[in-house]
Amino acid sequence: GIQVEQSPPDLILQEGANSTLRCNFSDSVNNLQWFHQNPWGQLINLFYIPSGTKQNGRLSATTVATERYSLLYISSSQTTDSGVYFCAPSKGGADGLTFGKGTHLIIQP
Amino acid sequence: GAVVSQHPSRVICKSGTSVKIECRSLDFQATTMFWYRQFPKKSLMLMATSNEGSKATYEQGVEKDKFLINHASLTLSTLTVTSAHPEDSSFYICSARRDRDNEQFFGPGTRLTVL
Repeated sequence: GIQVEQSPPDLILQEGANSTLRCNFSDSVNNLQWFHQNPWGQLINLFYIPSGTKQNGRLSATTVATERYSLLYISSSQTTDSGVYFCAPSKGGADGLTFGKGTHLIIQP
Repeated sequence: GAVVSQHPSRVICKSGTSVKIECRSLDFQATTMFWYRQFPKKSLMLMATSNEGSKATYEQGVEKDKFLINHASLTLSTLTVTSAHPEDSSFYICSARRDRDNEQFFGPGTRLTVL
């Protein structure tokens, strides 16, 4: 199956800082999603981005499928951005997702 | 849009009992739903793929007789944990794949504790 590596595993920032989270994957993919898991366990969809670049407010993401990586950018961090961020690709568009171990982000006021 | 509900949110049961968890896509059709399991401070692991009107497919190492899956309609999948034991205690999360574009949306999860 696909191997997924996320970095960094942990990140502590002050409110207002910017950050870049990276996801490397071992095989070609037809689907890649980024999620934010809140303290109650709910996975919130951030981006569906098998390739290209997308932006949504303070967040943006880029996937370079040919080089097998994806990046999630968070600008002007807020304390509510704290939580675990997961990258999850799949080989086929209709396949289950393979999750990385996540990046645990803490934003301090 | 794209809301997935999951019930119950929390269940505590005695060892040997069976527990059913429901996953519903509320505002879109989902021919395929997935069941994942998450241990504390760990990542999500895919357990099985549920296809409407056909048998589920299970990932390697997942006992199909222990985790029964039924996908009776385009909006409902159920997971039954049979003869639960303490090692089955975990956070179970379902997702529904939106047919029109393959994006997956997750339910809020079910925390199962087996005493």
